[in-house]
Parts: sequence; C-alpha cells; structure tokens
Amino acid sequence: DIQMTQSPSTLSASVGDRVTITCRASQSISSWLAWFQQKPGKAPKLLIYKGSTLESGVPSRFSGSGSGTEFTLTISSLQPDDFATYYCQEYKSYSGTFGQGTKLEIK
Amino acid sequence: QLQLLESGPGLVKPSETLSLTCTVSGGSISSSSYYWGWIRQPPGKGLEWIASIYYTGSTYFNPSLKSRVTISVDTSKNQFSLKLSSVTAADTAVYYCARTGELYGMDVWGQGTTVTVSS
Repeated sequence: DIQMTQSPSTLSASVGDRVTITCRASQSISSWLAWFQQKPGKAPKLLIYKGSTLESGVPSRFSGSGSGTEFTLTISSLQPDDFATYYCQEYKSYSGTFGQGTKLEIK
Repeated sequence: QLQLLESGPGLVKPSETLSLTCTVSGGSISSSSYYWGWIRQPPGKGLEWIASIYYTGSTYFNPSLKSRVTISVDTSKNQFSLKLSSVTAADTAVYYCARTGELYGMDVWGQGTTVTVSS
C-alpha cells in the first residue's frame, strides 16, 4: 500500500503570503499526484494533476512540483478565497490514497 | 457537462449493508480513459478512497476496506454502485463518487451524500 504524508496539518497565513504544502509518498509514484482544495460542505476541487499540471480554470497562483516521492503545492500570493483545506492524492496503479490534509487558516 | 449524483439511504443500521448508487449524466460511463470511484469523509476528518471500477468491470480496492466492499457498474443505466457490509458507527460519513482520468486524477465529483449509521 502507498502511504501519503502531508505537512503541515495546519498553516496560518495572511493574504498576500506565499505558502507551500508538502506531500511525501511511501514509495515512488512518478508524477501520479493530484492536489485538491476543499471548502466546508463542498466536494473537493481538483487543482493540479500529474504533479504539476494546472487544471483548467484554476488560477495561476497555484503551482505544483515534484516527482517520485516528494511533492509540493505552492500558492504564490494568498487570496481570501484560498483559505480552505488542501489534500494531495496519489493515483498510481488505480489506487487513490489521500494525504491527511492541510487546513489553511487566516492569521 | 458531466455530472455525477449520489443516491441511497441516509440512515443505515449497524451490522447492515450500506448501498449507494452514482448516476452519471452528460457523458458515458463507458469511456476507456476514465474509471469511477467512491470516496468518503467522516465528520471533521479527511478523505478516504474506498474503491474504483472501470466500465469493463475491473475493480480496485482500498486494502483496509476490501473485505467489506463491493463495487459494480451498470453501463446500460450509466451508473455505478457501492455496497459496504457490516457497517458500524465508524462508517458514518459523507460519501462521494468521482470520475478519475488515467492522466488527470479525480476531475469530476458528485455533491456527496451523508450516510449515518445508527440504530
């Protein structure tokens, strides 16, 4: 089984800040990693797939990088709408393990 | 535009079987580039992938749930379904269905349905 470890679990930041969330896989998943944003009471929204490809319609302040076992999601300049919970998910070999989530809070 | 809609009982008794259906509209479930999955989220907790299925019937399971999960597809109805047996209060969650692109990951999600396990 592939395990996904996401950090930090909570992140406090201000509008305009640059923030980075890290996701580590227990084994290589090549670039088969997606990032999601979830707001309370809503379904997750795909932000980035294949490690670094921005989903259509997602603002360019979001970016993803990494391959193998180490991945990062960066938001270059936080906007009020970005305060939410973020999840990584591997999708190698038709599995779908999620990271524990990172709650991005307003400082 | 592709839409997914979960349906099923909102309340299930302990030890019974939870049954949910996801209806796909605006596109075909019989696409070779996509597979279809179930994900759940207990109250206040994170996301947990449960299982996925191709339209051909090929299935993939979360090892921690595999012994209790059945996933099936009905291409004639453009639906896929989840059964989770021997439920307990720990299975109380919002259950989502989602489309997974082989390249894109889970790109389309249903709105989610809340299932409570209680007597």
